[in-house]
Amino acid sequence: AQSVTQLDSQVPVFEEAPVELRCNYSSSVSVYLFWYVQYPNQGLQLLLKYLSGSTLVKGINGFEAEFNKSQTSFHLRKPSVHISDTAEYFCAVTGGSNYKLTFGKGTLLTVNP
Amino acid sequence: DTGVSQDPRHKITKRGQNVTFRCDPISEHNRLYWYRQTLGQGPEFLTYFQNEAQLEKSRLLSDRFSAERPKGSFSTLEIQRTEQGDSAMYLCATVFPTGELFFGEGSRLTVL
Repeated sequence: AQSVTQLDSQVPVFEEAPVELRCNYSSSVSVYLFWYVQYPNQGLQLLLKYLSGSTLVKGINGFEAEFNKSQTSFHLRKPSVHISDTAEYFCAVTGGSNYKLTFGKGTLLTVNP
Repeated sequence: DTGVSQDPRHKITKRGQNVTFRCDPISEHNRLYWYRQTLGQGPEFLTYFQNEAQLEKSRLLSDRFSAERPKGSFSTLEIQRTEQGDSAMYLCATVFPTGELFFGEGSRLTVL
């Protein structure tokens, strides 16, 4: 079984500031890791994924994440945020090819002018 | 247009009534998933299909819940005798060959 801990439930930042959203996972098997974004009253949109290969993964909208196996982390970063990045962000993990995802509770990113 | 369509987008019902949600996936994707998301929480896995076969069900899926995927195309999720605790967003997703779940916009259920 897998589990995901998103360490911050809310992250307020100012526009153009850098941001890091933290995610730690636990799993007894090799994992695939994902970050999704959710805007109000909408479904989830994939930001980026780690399946294998390079541990630094680049996604859409200028986001990137680094897979750290020794620290069991997959933190999401963006060097300069925009007002439009305000949304809920979810980290997710799956340990098998069935792609049954386990999600964290989410981090609400609020970008202020 | 996400490619995965869900209907209705929002359903308000009274406790005890039955409701049904429909998901139309991307046609060539043979795996289909249902998740439930309650307020302030991440989505939780409910069940998934490989073509028409329901391969796994979560313990969250009580006897009042049933999901089907006839002919391996669209899927329905029915909730019988709804309770207020069933109020949530019900999300459908399919898997791309590149290994990512692609979600629909969701169906929000409000049980009064």
